[in-house]
Amino acid sequence: GAVVSQHPSRVICKSGTSVKIECRSLDFQATTMFWYRQFPKKSLMLMATSNEGSKATYEQGVEKDKFLINHASLTLSTLTVTSAHPEDSSFYICSARAGQGTDTQYFGPGTRLTVL
Amino acid sequence: AQTVTQSQPEMSVQEAETVTLSCTYDTSESDYYLFWYKQPPSRQMILVIRQEAYKQQNATENRFSVNFQKAAKSFSLKISDSQLGDAAMYFCAYGGSDAGGTSYGKLTFGQGTILTVHP
Repeated sequence: GAVVSQHPSRVICKSGTSVKIECRSLDFQATTMFWYRQFPKKSLMLMATSNEGSKATYEQGVEKDKFLINHASLTLSTLTVTSAHPEDSSFYICSARAGQGTDTQYFGPGTRLTVL
Repeated sequence: AQTVTQSQPEMSVQEAETVTLSCTYDTSESDYYLFWYKQPPSRQMILVIRQEAYKQQNATENRFSVNFQKAAKSFSLKISDSQLGDAAMYFCAYGGSDAGGTSYGKLTFGQGTILTVHP
Protein backbone atom coordinates (compact mmCIF):
# COMPACT_ATOMS: atom_id res chain seq x y z
CA GLY A 1 0.00 0.00 0.00
CA ALA A 2 0.88 3.65 -0.25
CA VAL A 3 3.11 5.22 2.37
CA VAL A 4 2.56 8.43 4.29
CA SER A 5 5.29 9.80 6.51
CA GLN A 6 5.24 12.40 9.25
CA HIS A 7 8.10 14.42 10.61
CA PRO A 8 9.03 14.75 13.37
CA SER A 9 7.72 11.69 15.17
CA ARG A 10 8.17 13.42 18.52
CA VAL A 11 8.71 17.04 19.44
CA ILE A 12 9.08 18.83 22.74
CA CYS A 13 8.87 22.59 22.81
CA LYS A 14 8.53 25.45 25.23
CA SER A 15 5.28 27.25 25.77
CA GLY A 16 4.87 30.15 23.36
CA THR A 17 6.92 28.71 20.54
CA SER A 18 5.63 27.45 17.19
CA VAL A 19 6.00 23.91 15.91
CA LYS A 20 5.70 22.65 12.35
CA ILE A 21 4.67 19.08 11.54
CA GLU A 22 5.11 17.71 8.02
CA CYS A 23 2.98 15.09 6.33
CA ARG A 24 4.30 13.60 3.11
CA SER A 25 2.86 11.10 0.65
CA LEU A 26 5.90 9.15 -0.49
CA ASP A 27 4.70 7.24 -3.52
CA PHE A 28 1.52 8.95 -4.65
CA GLN A 29 0.13 12.41 -5.18
CA ALA A 30 -2.27 13.41 -2.45
CA THR A 31 -4.88 15.89 -3.57
CA THR A 32 -6.49 15.80 -0.14
CA MET A 33 -4.94 15.48 3.29
CA PHE A 34 -6.67 15.33 6.64
CA TRP A 35 -5.30 16.32 10.03
CA TYR A 36 -6.50 14.60 13.20
CA ARG A 37 -5.78 15.07 16.87
CA GLN A 38 -5.84 12.22 19.36
CA PHE A 39 -5.64 12.36 23.15
CA PRO A 40 -4.37 9.29 25.06
CA LYS A 41 -6.72 6.34 24.72
CA LYS A 42 -9.25 8.53 22.99
CA SER A 43 -10.67 8.77 19.52
CA LEU A 44 -9.30 10.67 16.54
CA MET A 45 -10.87 14.08 16.11
CA LEU A 46 -10.73 15.64 12.66
CA MET A 47 -9.20 19.08 12.78
CA ALA A 48 -9.17 20.10 9.14
CA THR A 49 -9.28 18.99 5.54
CA SER A 50 -6.63 20.31 3.23
CA ASN A 51 -6.81 20.31 -0.55
CA GLU A 52 -3.72 21.03 -2.62
CA GLY A 53 -3.56 24.62 -3.69
CA SER A 54 -6.51 25.86 -1.68
CA LYS A 55 -7.27 26.95 1.86
CA ALA A 56 -7.91 24.29 4.44
CA THR A 57 -11.41 23.65 5.75
CA TYR A 58 -11.45 23.60 9.53
CA GLU A 59 -13.87 21.70 11.72
CA GLN A 60 -16.04 23.60 14.13
CA GLY A 61 -14.17 24.60 17.24
CA VAL A 62 -10.70 24.39 15.70
CA GLU A 63 -8.85 27.71 15.73
CA LYS A 64 -7.52 28.26 12.23
CA ASP A 65 -5.15 31.00 13.39
CA LYS A 66 -3.61 28.65 15.91
CA PHE A 67 -3.38 25.56 13.72
CA LEU A 68 -2.06 26.74 10.38
CA ILE A 69 -2.33 24.24 7.57
CA ASN A 70 -0.55 24.54 4.25
CA HIS A 71 -0.89 22.09 1.35
CA ALA A 72 1.41 23.67 -1.19
CA SER A 73 2.27 20.57 -3.18
CA LEU A 74 0.70 17.25 -4.06
CA THR A 75 3.01 15.40 -1.70
CA LEU A 76 3.33 17.71 1.28
CA SER A 77 1.01 19.24 3.85
CA THR A 78 2.18 21.02 6.97
CA LEU A 79 0.49 21.75 10.27
CA THR A 80 1.95 24.58 12.31
CA VAL A 81 0.91 24.94 15.92
CA THR A 82 1.46 28.60 16.68
CA SER A 83 2.21 29.93 20.16
CA ALA A 84 1.90 26.45 21.59
CA HIS A 85 0.61 25.93 25.12
CA PRO A 86 0.57 22.82 27.32
CA GLU A 87 -3.05 22.14 26.38
CA ASP A 88 -1.91 21.68 22.76
CA SER A 89 0.09 18.64 23.81
CA SER A 90 -1.38 15.73 21.91
CA PHE A 91 -0.84 13.16 19.19
CA TYR A 92 -1.34 14.57 15.71
CA ILE A 93 -2.06 12.24 12.79
CA CYS A 94 -2.41 13.01 9.11
CA SER A 95 -3.98 10.97 6.37
CA ALA A 96 -3.76 11.38 2.62
CA ARG A 97 -5.99 10.51 -0.30
CA ALA A 98 -4.98 10.45 -3.94
CA GLY A 99 -8.16 12.07 -5.17
CA GLN A 100 -11.84 11.63 -5.87
CA GLY A 101 -12.56 8.18 -7.15
CA THR A 102 -9.79 6.79 -4.98
CA ASP A 103 -11.51 5.39 -1.96
CA THR A 104 -8.57 4.81 0.32
CA GLN A 105 -7.02 7.12 2.85
CA TYR A 106 -3.55 6.30 4.07
CA PHE A 107 -2.52 7.32 7.56
CA GLY A 108 0.81 8.65 8.71
CA PRO A 109 2.49 7.29 11.86
CA GLY A 110 1.63 10.36 13.91
CA THR A 111 3.55 13.05 15.76
CA ARG A 112 3.60 13.36 19.52
CA LEU A 113 3.76 16.99 20.60
CA THR A 114 4.65 17.88 24.17
CA VAL A 115 4.53 21.53 25.19
CA LEU A 116 6.32 22.36 28.43
CA ALA B 1 -23.90 15.46 11.58
CA GLN B 2 -22.88 11.85 11.61
CA THR B 3 -22.08 10.12 14.87
CA VAL B 4 -20.39 6.80 15.54
CA THR B 5 -20.83 4.96 18.83
CA GLN B 6 -18.77 2.11 20.19
CA SER B 7 -20.39 1.03 23.44
CA GLN B 8 -17.62 -1.33 24.55
CA PRO B 9 -14.64 0.58 25.97
CA GLU B 10 -12.79 -2.69 26.57
CA MET B 11 -13.12 -6.29 25.44
CA SER B 12 -11.05 -9.37 26.07
CA VAL B 13 -10.77 -12.73 24.34
CA GLN B 14 -8.81 -15.92 24.71
CA GLU B 15 -6.35 -16.76 22.01
CA ALA B 16 -7.98 -18.81 19.20
CA GLU B 17 -11.47 -17.74 20.30
CA THR B 18 -13.90 -15.40 18.55
CA VAL B 19 -14.82 -11.89 19.64
CA THR B 20 -17.30 -9.36 18.29
CA LEU B 21 -16.89 -5.61 18.59
CA SER B 22 -19.99 -3.45 18.32
CA CYS B 23 -20.54 -0.22 16.44
CA THR B 24 -23.62 1.84 15.68
CA TYR B 25 -23.84 5.02 13.67
CA ASP B 26 -26.30 7.69 12.80
CA THR B 27 -26.66 9.28 9.38
CA SER B 28 -29.26 10.62 7.01
CA GLU B 29 -27.20 9.72 3.95
CA SER B 30 -27.88 6.67 1.81
CA ASP B 31 -24.41 6.30 0.31
CA TYR B 32 -21.46 6.01 2.66
CA TYR B 33 -18.55 3.87 3.70
CA LEU B 34 -17.84 2.14 6.99
CA PHE B 35 -14.48 1.05 8.29
CA TRP B 36 -12.76 -0.75 11.11
CA TYR B 37 -9.28 0.46 11.93
CA LYS B 38 -6.77 -1.09 14.28
CA GLN B 39 -4.36 1.04 16.30
CA PRO B 40 -1.63 -0.98 18.01
CA PRO B 41 0.70 0.53 20.62
CA SER B 42 2.80 1.99 17.79
CA ARG B 43 -0.19 4.31 17.16
CA GLN B 44 -0.08 3.58 13.39
CA MET B 45 -3.63 3.33 12.07
CA ILE B 46 -4.16 0.12 10.12
CA LEU B 47 -7.22 -0.49 7.97
CA VAL B 48 -8.79 -3.81 8.93
CA ILE B 49 -11.89 -3.92 6.77
CA ARG B 50 -14.26 -1.66 4.91
CA GLN B 51 -17.86 -1.85 3.74
CA GLU B 52 -19.66 0.17 1.10
CA ALA B 53 -23.22 0.88 2.20
CA TYR B 54 -24.71 0.02 -1.18
CA LYS B 55 -23.33 -3.51 -0.95
CA GLN B 56 -25.60 -5.92 0.88
CA GLN B 57 -22.94 -8.59 1.19
CA ASN B 58 -20.91 -8.39 4.38
CA ALA B 59 -17.22 -7.73 3.85
CA THR B 60 -14.66 -10.30 4.94
CA GLU B 61 -10.88 -10.20 5.17
CA ASN B 62 -9.38 -13.48 6.28
CA ARG B 63 -10.20 -13.80 10.01
CA PHE B 64 -12.09 -10.51 10.07
CA SER B 65 -15.70 -10.15 9.02
CA VAL B 66 -18.45 -7.64 9.57
CA ASN B 67 -22.16 -7.82 10.23
CA PHE B 68 -23.59 -4.81 8.43
CA GLN B 69 -27.22 -4.05 9.23
CA LYS B 70 -28.06 -0.92 7.26
CA ALA B 71 -31.60 -0.47 8.54
CA ALA B 72 -30.43 -0.81 12.12
CA LYS B 73 -27.31 1.32 11.40
CA SER B 74 -25.15 -1.32 12.98
CA PHE B 75 -21.68 -2.42 11.88
CA SER B 76 -20.03 -5.01 14.10
CA LEU B 77 -16.62 -6.61 13.62
CA LYS B 78 -16.03 -10.30 14.25
CA ILE B 79 -12.51 -11.53 14.79
CA SER B 80 -12.16 -15.30 14.49
CA ASP B 81 -9.27 -17.40 15.77
CA SER B 82 -7.95 -14.44 17.74
CA GLN B 83 -4.21 -14.01 17.86
CA LEU B 84 -1.97 -12.18 20.30
CA GLY B 85 -1.14 -9.71 17.54
CA ASP B 86 -4.78 -8.69 17.36
CA ALA B 87 -4.47 -6.88 20.67
CA ALA B 88 -4.96 -3.19 19.95
CA MET B 89 -7.45 -0.37 20.05
CA TYR B 90 -10.11 -0.78 17.38
CA PHE B 91 -11.98 2.15 15.87
CA CYS B 92 -15.14 2.07 13.85
CA ALA B 93 -15.30 4.91 11.34
CA TYR B 94 -17.88 6.45 9.02
CA GLY B 95 -17.02 8.10 5.71
CA GLY B 96 -19.70 10.06 3.92
CA SER B 97 -19.84 9.87 0.15
CA ASP B 98 -18.13 12.84 -1.44
CA ALA B 99 -19.52 15.07 -4.17
CA GLY B 100 -18.48 12.72 -6.94
CA GLY B 101 -20.22 9.83 -5.26
CA THR B 102 -17.28 7.57 -6.01
CA SER B 103 -15.34 7.97 -2.84
CA TYR B 104 -15.63 9.21 0.70
CA GLY B 105 -14.50 12.36 2.37
CA LYS B 106 -13.62 12.96 5.97
CA LEU B 107 -13.90 10.18 8.50
CA THR B 108 -15.84 10.25 11.75
CA PHE B 109 -14.47 7.86 14.34
CA GLY B 110 -16.09 6.08 17.25
CA GLN B 111 -14.65 6.21 20.74
CA GLY B 112 -12.64 3.03 20.30
CA THR B 113 -12.57 -0.41 21.93
CA ILE B 114 -9.44 -1.72 23.58
CA LEU B 115 -9.08 -5.41 22.78
CA THR B 116 -6.97 -7.64 25.01
CA VAL B 117 -6.03 -11.12 23.86
CA HIS B 118 -5.16 -13.62 26.59
CA PRO B 119 -2.79 -16.50 25.80
